[in-house]
Amino acid sequence: GENVEQHPSTLSVQEGDSAVIKCTYSDSASNYFPWYKQELGKGPQLIIDIRSNVGEKKDQRIAVTLNKTAKHFSLHITETQPEDSAVYFCAASIRGTASKLTFGTGTRLQVTL
Amino acid sequence: KAGVTQTPRYLIKTRGQQVTLSCSPISGHRSVSWYQQTPGQGLQFLFEYFSETQRNKGNFPGRFSGRQFSNSRSEMNVSTLELGDSALYLCASSLNTANYGYTFGSGTRLTVV
Repeated sequence: GENVEQHPSTLSVQEGDSAVIKCTYSDSASNYFPWYKQELGKGPQLIIDIRSNVGEKKDQRIAVTLNKTAKHFSLHITETQPEDSAVYFCAASIRGTASKLTFGTGTRLQVTL
Repeated sequence: KAGVTQTPRYLIKTRGQQVTLSCSPISGHRSVSWYQQTPGQGLQFLFEYFSETQRNKGNFPGRFSGRQFSNSRSEMNVSTLELGDSALYLCASSLNTANYGYTFGSGTRLTVV
């Protein structure tokens, strides 16, 4: 089955700096890669996603890049703010099973003033 | 627009008992997935239901089961509870089984003592 690795497990940045979280996947049949943000006491919230026919996608301060050849994808957050502090999860699903997400182990992002 | 609603939010059960958790998806969403979240294993896919039928299943023992009703509401049941079943159980919904972008509820925190 699919395996998703995520790095780093913790990340501390100063407000205004950029943050980058990286994930790799194992199954070349994966074609959907969402990123979720989870705050304390809440469920994961979808913040951005990308499909395998696209190399990059941007939404305001958040961007995701995908390298299908290397089987890795990354989340980029620019101009970080304290409210960006949370745990971020990458995930992947195999073609035809959009609901069956395999998640990475999470990155705890701390944005300090 | 109401989000995904999970009840109850917290639950304490004794080993050997059984438990039923409930999930009401976003209005109009017909696909419901369930995930287990623990500190050790992270987020793991349990199963997905669409049109009252189980469409995908994760690698969990038969003690974990679910069902979906005609109004798309879903329940999951865990029988013969074990200490290791203590976890946050999350429900996610989407328009249909092939639609990307699942919205998660806040989860039910189950503690087995």
